Amino acid sequence: GNSVTQMEGPVTLSEEAFLTINCTYTATGYPSLFWYVQYPGEGLQLLLKATKADDKGSNKGFEATYRKETTSFHLEKGSVQVSDSAVYFCALSEGGQGGSEKLVFGKGTKLTVNP
Amino acid sequence: EPEVTQTPSHQVTQMGQEVILRCVPISNHLYFYWYRQILGQKVEFLVSFYNNEISEKSEIFDDQFSVERPDGSNFTLKIRSTKLEDSAMYFCASSVVSGRYNEQFFGPGTRLTVL
Repeated sequence: GNSVTQMEGPVTLSEEAFLTINCTYTATGYPSLFWYVQYPGEGLQLLLKATKADDKGSNKGFEATYRKETTSFHLEKGSVQVSDSAVYFCALSEGGQGGSEKLVFGKGTKLTVNP
Repeated sequence: EPEVTQTPSHQVTQMGQEVILRCVPISNHLYFYWYRQILGQKVEFLVSFYNNEISEKSEIFDDQFSVERPDGSNFTLKIRSTKLEDSAMYFCASSVVSGRYNEQFFGPGTRLTVL
């Protein structure tokens, strides 16, 4: 079945450092790809998404490009802030029965940004 | 801003007991989901629900699990006879429509501990 692999954490950076969190996927079709973020005590929030090859999703300074040739969707940010400390989840959507669209997630990567 | 809520935030139960996890999806959403995350593992899809019936369920969602939308606002997950391995964080999600482009909105989760 479809699966998502993302880099193991935790990741600890200093403020203004460059961030990359790697994510690769295995899929039989053409899934949509997502990054979700979970801040402490909160639910999963959609950070960005890309629905087809070469699409770039971006939000709040984060970017990720859907690379079909390398089956990757790496998350990047040029200058992280303390407020970016959270757990980041890479996910793909695969077609569900009856019109639902379930998500397949990676394990999550905990990011801590120090002042 | 509308949000998905879940209660309780933490539930502790004895093995073999029944538990009901509650979720209030966003009011105009039509598709509902349960996911779970065992500590240190991936977020896994359990079940999707639309039009008062299950659209899809995973292998995890066996006869011990059931879902219902009893009153048009709540969406519940029942585990009839809990096992130690049911200990996990359970996330509820909802979406206004389905399809590979659609965003699922997640609640903050219920941490279930089975002793």
